[in-house]
Amino acid sequence: DQQVKQNSPSLSVQEGRISILNCDYTNSMFDYFLWYKKYPAEGPTFLISISSIKDKNEDGRFTVFLNKSAKHLSLHIVPSQPGDSAVYFCAASDKETGTASKLTFGTGTRLQVTL
Amino acid sequence: DVKVTQSSRYLVKRTGEKVFLECVQDMDHENMFWYRQDPGLGLRLIYFSYDVKMKEKGDIPEGYSVSREKKERFSLILESASTNQTSMYLCASTTGSNQPQHFGDGTRLSIL
Repeated sequence: DQQVKQNSPSLSVQEGRISILNCDYTNSMFDYFLWYKKYPAEGPTFLISISSIKDKNEDGRFTVFLNKSAKHLSLHIVPSQPGDSAVYFCAASDKETGTASKLTFGTGTRLQVTL
Repeated sequence: DVKVTQSSRYLVKRTGEKVFLECVQDMDHENMFWYRQDPGLGLRLIYFSYDVKMKEKGDIPEGYSVSREKKERFSLILESASTNQTSMYLCASTTGSNQPQHFGDGTRLSIL
């Protein structure tokens, strides 16, 4: 039972354009969401997060949007750069006592930014 | 910066061997985690720990055990390695809820 879903395994975007990565979740107890970026042969690197009390969080070229009613979040990268080419994982944690720091990950989306 | 260090980047072991993967973090984090990453499956949680000598099962604990004798160190143990445990293993740590987890660079383990 996949509680966090990234339905697009891959995405190709031209340099300078906007990249939009999507993530859906099914667990209504999730209250904290994160995006990680992963290069081959390296560990995931934290990018940006959002709490369920917000619907948008911005950090430089990266913006995360949360739509709680649709159980959907997205990561926007503007403008996209070749160095953004990586696998992006969406993750979520829930309010359950004692497991609040436990994350559930999606399957990842491979972003390729072309010249 | 948080530093999470995994003892080996690449490891090759034989079926039936007992395998130890070590992870050390330098930020005094209470919480530590072990994941495995497989193509098309994302990161799946094997075990985690909220405190010294404390452990909880994640989503796929079968065939694994863990040890946390000191706060900074979290070890993953494959009791009797099997070929289906060939994978990328990732260790992470965090201070607590609503804080990002910080990952090591991973250990690519091959079981022959």
